Amino acid sequence: DTEVTQTPKHLVMGMTNKKSLKCEQHMGHRAMYWYKQKAKKPPELMFVYSYEKLSINESVPSRFSPECPNSSLLNLHLHALQPEDSALYLCASSQDRNREMETQYFGPGTRLLVL
Amino acid sequence: QKEVEQDPGPLSVPEGAIVSLNCTYSNSAFQYFMWYRQYSRKGPELLMYTYSSGNKEDGRFTAQVDKSSKYISLFIRDSQPSDSATYLCAMSASNFGNEKLTFGTGTRLTIIP
Repeated sequence: DTEVTQTPKHLVMGMTNKKSLKCEQHMGHRAMYWYKQKAKKPPELMFVYSYEKLSINESVPSRFSPECPNSSLLNLHLHALQPEDSALYLCASSQDRNREMETQYFGPGTRLLVL
Repeated sequence: QKEVEQDPGPLSVPEGAIVSLNCTYSNSAFQYFMWYRQYSRKGPELLMYTYSSGNKEDGRFTAQVDKSSKYISLFIRDSQPSDSATYLCAMSASNFGNEKLTFGTGTRLTIIP
């Protein structure tokens, strides 16, 4: 089973709202990722958590706040977003040890619209 | 110059044809190569994952890596309308779980019935 689940599937929010995106995996993966994908563009890495600790932050604005409460869950808290933040937000997970043939598995994404 | 170059297409081929998708890259440190398929408004789905140079086959899909030319390919045999999607190549220098993937821009493929 290589399933990563994300909720909600769709989200519409105003620029003053606070909302959260959720991601869950039960594959025992210890690395989890948030990506942002605009239309007709490849995914752009935002954050990486390794063993529940933030290991990479790709200079993402502070209005995006990640949280990893345990090894299976990853949240992305959103506050005071801008319309240009509208995109598909993808979660991914992978093993985090040097095993051959390990790579990232993506969830279906949350489509976010900021009004 | 981008680290990974991929023709964005769109590419349209008739059903049953062999499809060839390609990426070139400039970073010689890349050793792990992936192809993802992404349907419209969905997350990327891992199709093929190869290490270093060589070929890998899985059903109708064959991935080729030529590290000497810094060139990777994905071939789809007996293409089906359900293969219509955007295909993203991705690569990394290691397979540590928190290694950053570098993606191509994706090729939009349409299989015409």
